[in-house]
Amino acid sequence: AQKVTQAQTEISVVEKEDVTLDCVYETRDTTYYLFWYKQPPSGELVFLIRRNSFDEQNEISGRYSWNFQKSTSSFNFTITASQVVDSAVYFCALSENNNNDMRFGAGTRLTVKP
Amino acid sequence: GAGVSQSPSNKVTEKGKDVELRCDPISGHTALYWYRQSLGQGLEFLIYFQGNSAPDKSGLPSDRFSAERTGGSVSTLTIQRTQQEDSAVYLCASSLGGRGRGTQYFGPGTRLLVL
Repeated sequence: AQKVTQAQTEISVVEKEDVTLDCVYETRDTTYYLFWYKQPPSGELVFLIRRNSFDEQNEISGRYSWNFQKSTSSFNFTITASQVVDSAVYFCALSENNNNDMRFGAGTRLTVKP
Repeated sequence: GAGVSQSPSNKVTEKGKDVELRCDPISGHTALYWYRQSLGQGLEFLIYFQGNSAPDKSGLPSDRFSAERTGGSVSTLTIQRTQQEDSAVYLCASSLGGRGRGTQYFGPGTRLLVL
């Protein structure tokens, strides 16, 4: 069965620090999809990125970057020069090609202090 | 365009009462999902609809929970004889493709409190 582990429950950093959120997944499927979502205090889940299992290229979007490594079953998320507005709970999620549900990690609560 | 909308935003009910939660997916999205998020927890899958196919109800926690999707669009999640442990945020999501392939976009959720 698919499984997502976010070992970091809470992280606190000072503004302008870089921070990496870890995500490790388990799946038996060869085709799967990985996601990161942001949940700010308002509660709405905001889609950040989607990665297909056959595309291991890292991605950068502004201050955000993602490192996908199939060899270690990891899909880590780095925020460079963090800002207070980055404070939120971040969820990593996995869906398999032949399953209907998306499995979420427990989330990492990031607090960025001014 | 409009995102996923859910109503009501908040619902307070008494134990034993029935509640209905509504979800309007993004127009054109064929797949619709319901999740439950208990306080400080991750998301728990409840049910999945794809087009006119039979829904995947494998995540529903008990037979007090049911959902329907009318006309392939709006969905209603019904909880009968609510219990205090049903208190949570209920999130709806929709996607263009189903069976794990589509990117799910979430609504703002309905915060349910059972007294």
